[in-house]
Amino acid sequence: EDKVVQSPLSLVVHEGDTVTLNCSYEVTNFRSLLWYKQEKKAPTFLFMLTSSGIEKKSGRLSSILDKKELFSILNITATQTGDSAVYLCAVGTNAGGTSYGKLTFGQGTILTVHP
Amino acid sequence: EADIYQTPRYLVIGTGKKITLECSQTMGHDKMYWYQQDPGMELHLIHYSYGVNSTEKGDLSSESTVSRIRTEHFPLTLESARPSHTSQYLCASSRTGFSSYNEQFFGPGTRLTVL
Repeated sequence: EDKVVQSPLSLVVHEGDTVTLNCSYEVTNFRSLLWYKQEKKAPTFLFMLTSSGIEKKSGRLSSILDKKELFSILNITATQTGDSAVYLCAVGTNAGGTSYGKLTFGQGTILTVHP
Repeated sequence: EADIYQTPRYLVIGTGKKITLECSQTMGHDKMYWYQQDPGMELHLIHYSYGVNSTEKGDLSSESTVSRIRTEHFPLTLESARPSHTSQYLCASSRTGFSSYNEQFFGPGTRLTVL
């Protein structure tokens, strides 16, 4: 059974702090790892990672994948109150050679940024 | 504007009622998905579709059914709602093609409460 585990489950920081969110996975037929940010409603896409060691960056957010050790990290520097959200990690897999595009989600990390 | 829509956003109904949750996307995506998410828990895939007239059950068993008669429309139906169906239901879609493999775009969700 495919499994995605995120840590920590919850994190409380102050504005300006840097945070690192972790995602480890055990899946069959790995294709990609995705990070989403979920505020009140729908998850919004942040990054998709397919290759080890290549950092993806968007503003204060960055992410990297290690396919040998089966994990990814999401870094947020100089956090702001608007970064408060649930951060979801999902791993995309192939199903028997089809292009199904299945995503297995982790439980999420709840990030709270205080002023 | 290309987007993915869900209606209603909130629904409170009594036990035994038949309900249909609507999902439409204007992005021309072939693949569509329904996820169920309880508060503080991970997303679980309950249905997916590769395209018109294609529907499959996901990882989490669900008493709901889906149909895909048009590319842009993927409604979910519960014939007889029960309190155990109370949850948030998220619809998503994705393109076919390696460059955007597995990147799923989410609708705003429907929060269903069955009394």
